Amino acid sequence: SYVLTQPPSVSVAPGKTARITCGGNNIGSKSVHWYQQKPGQAPVLVIYYDSDRPSGIPERFSGSNSGNTATLTISRVEAGDEADYYCQVWDSSSDPVVFGGGTKLTVL
Amino acid sequence: QVQLVQSGAEVKKPGSSVKVSCKASGGTFSSYAISWVRQAPGQGLEWMGRIIPILGIANYAQKFQGRVTITADKSTSTAYMELSSLRSEDTAVYYCASTAAGTFGGNYYYYMDVWGKGTTVTVSS
Repeated sequence: SYVLTQPPSVSVAPGKTARITCGGNNIGSKSVHWYQQKPGQAPVLVIYYDSDRPSGIPERFSGSNSGNTATLTISRVEAGDEADYYCQVWDSSSDPVVFGGGTKLTVL
Repeated sequence: QVQLVQSGAEVKKPGSSVKVSCKASGGTFSSYAISWVRQAPGQGLEWMGRIIPILGIANYAQKFQGRVTITADKSTSTAYMELSSLRSEDTAVYYCASTAAGTFGGNYYYYMDVWGKGTTVTVSS
């Protein structure tokens, strides 16, 4: 089955740029989606189709996808961005919906 | 914008079953799929399956085949997830989510755009 690999944690100072990666075999050929989950809350979709933002998601959130790595970029990080972030793809295998293991973003 | 309201927390004995509901309001219930995703304490997200209400067709993750049943009642805009033969490892928060799926730019996409608040299921003797 398809595997998505994320770093367990990323730390960034307020106002700086955070980059969270999601690695997978030829992931650039798939559509990647990203979710933000704050403690005790349900996940929220923040990026879909690699780089599109749902309404209500700040422009500070952006995404890219190429080769074997997709990246979620959060510019001008704020304390309120502290959360777990998950990438997700569809794969034509027996378990088609695949999530990465999640990355905990800490704002220093 | 669709909203999803899930049923309340459950405490179950090992070996029993649990049925969680997810009622949709806003949007057209039959026009999108409903996915079920669970999250064990301190763990990541795990997809369990989906249903396409307009077709009544459900697909399940291999791990849950034979133990999970996802259904939908179009008359009440409610989806259900029933998990049987419960064990302690099934203790988790169970989420339903409206799902967009299709083909775009040559790629098949599938993402969950609106989530319910989750239902905590505790399996304990």
